[in-house]
Amino acid sequence: EDKVVQSPLSLVVHEGDTVTLNCSYEVTNFRSLLWYKQEKKAPTFLFMLTSSGIEKKSGRLSSILDKKELFSILNITATQTGDSAVYLCAAPHNSGGSNYKLTFGKGTLLTVNP
Amino acid sequence: KAGVTQTPRYLIKTRGQQVTLSCSPISGHRSVSWYQQTPGQGLQFLFEYFSETQRNKGNFPGRFSGRQFSNSRSEMNVSTLELGDSALYLCASSLDPRGMGVFFGQGTRLTVV
Repeated sequence: EDKVVQSPLSLVVHEGDTVTLNCSYEVTNFRSLLWYKQEKKAPTFLFMLTSSGIEKKSGRLSSILDKKELFSILNITATQTGDSAVYLCAAPHNSGGSNYKLTFGKGTLLTVNP
Repeated sequence: KAGVTQTPRYLIKTRGQQVTLSCSPISGHRSVSWYQQTPGQGLQFLFEYFSETQRNKGNFPGRFSGRQFSNSRSEMNVSTLELGDSALYLCASSLDPRGMGVFFGQGTRLTVV
């Protein structure tokens, strides 16, 4: 059974700090890893990572995948209160061509205090 | 481009009743999947549909069922509701076969009393 584990489960920082969120995975026939931000309802898509060592960047957020060690990290620099959310990591189950059964980690609850 | 739309947003039902939730995917997306989110279990996969066929199913009892229509819209049904079915139900859509991401709707918050 596919497994995705995130750490830490929660994190409290001050505005301006840099944070690193971790995600490790055990997935059969690994293809990609997805990161989402969930504030109130819908998880919003952040990144999809498929290749090892290639950093994806969007503003103050960046993420990288290590397929040898089976983990990914999500970095947020110069955090703002608006970054407060649950960050979810997910891996698609790859079987029979369907890529859309996602296994999620429990998430990291990030709280950014002013 | 409109996102994934779920209706209703909130629902309160009593034990033993049944409920139907609706999801309209992003235009052009043919794969629709459903997830249940609870504080204890996190996000768990229910099922996934493509071209009106269920391709994947999670570990949920038979009380949970779904279907997809020819226009890719999807419904999920939960019969004989239990208190433990209270959760946020999220629908996601994606292009197939190798979409560039899975996009979620706002969810339906179901409360069973």
